[in-house]
Amino acid sequence: GAGVSQSPSNKVTEKGKDVELRCDPISGHTALYWYRQSLGQGLEFLIYFQGNSAPDKSGLPSDRFSAERTGGSVSTLTIQRTQQEDSAVYLCASSLEIQEKLFFGSGTQLSVL
Amino acid sequence: QKEVEQDPGPLSVPEGAIVSLNCTYSNSAFQYFMWYRQYSRKGPELLMYTYSSGNKEDGRFTAQVDKSSKYISLFIRDSQPSDSATYLCAMKSNNAGNMLTFGGGTRLMVKP
Repeated sequence: GAGVSQSPSNKVTEKGKDVELRCDPISGHTALYWYRQSLGQGLEFLIYFQGNSAPDKSGLPSDRFSAERTGGSVSTLTIQRTQQEDSAVYLCASSLEIQEKLFFGSGTQLSVL
Repeated sequence: QKEVEQDPGPLSVPEGAIVSLNCTYSNSAFQYFMWYRQYSRKGPELLMYTYSSGNKEDGRFTAQVDKSSKYISLFIRDSQPSDSATYLCAMKSNNAGNMLTFGGGTRLMVKP
């Protein structure tokens, strides 16, 4: 009965390093989303998975960003060669099919030094 | 210009006041309108959801949508210190799947 779980909650990395952020959605939710929230900004859509369909990657800001979802459950967002402008809170959400109610995790605060 | 504009605040009110939070938008294709509440270091949680124009009430919260003016509002009656949070409006069009466009959020502080 747990909600969306994200790990780590905080990640500090050096510029140029790769990072992996993990999202464990609510059991049974077929849709999974990644959003990015920069300081004082609204949420920026990154990528969306729905069941076995090809993901909607239209929000990924560059080819350094990629995401996968294994077995229709856990998702990993990977950022290669991190830059300082990648510093933000990365939020994951899940929903039952395509519904309006998204359930968000608490996010991963990424700091790139 | 952003698709969805929202005053960042902070908005500070005394306990018991009526709070009015607003967003304007430019995309006339938006049909679904939502308000999320986000506490510090937490993810957003859905408060209100409306389709097209009109009002929706849920307890102390009322959401209004005026599509002709491209303007949406969230009213909070009898505000409580526990309402202190950032309020984000979000919206989407019919053909956007579940891809939401968010405002930047308004930080609300309700003082006892």
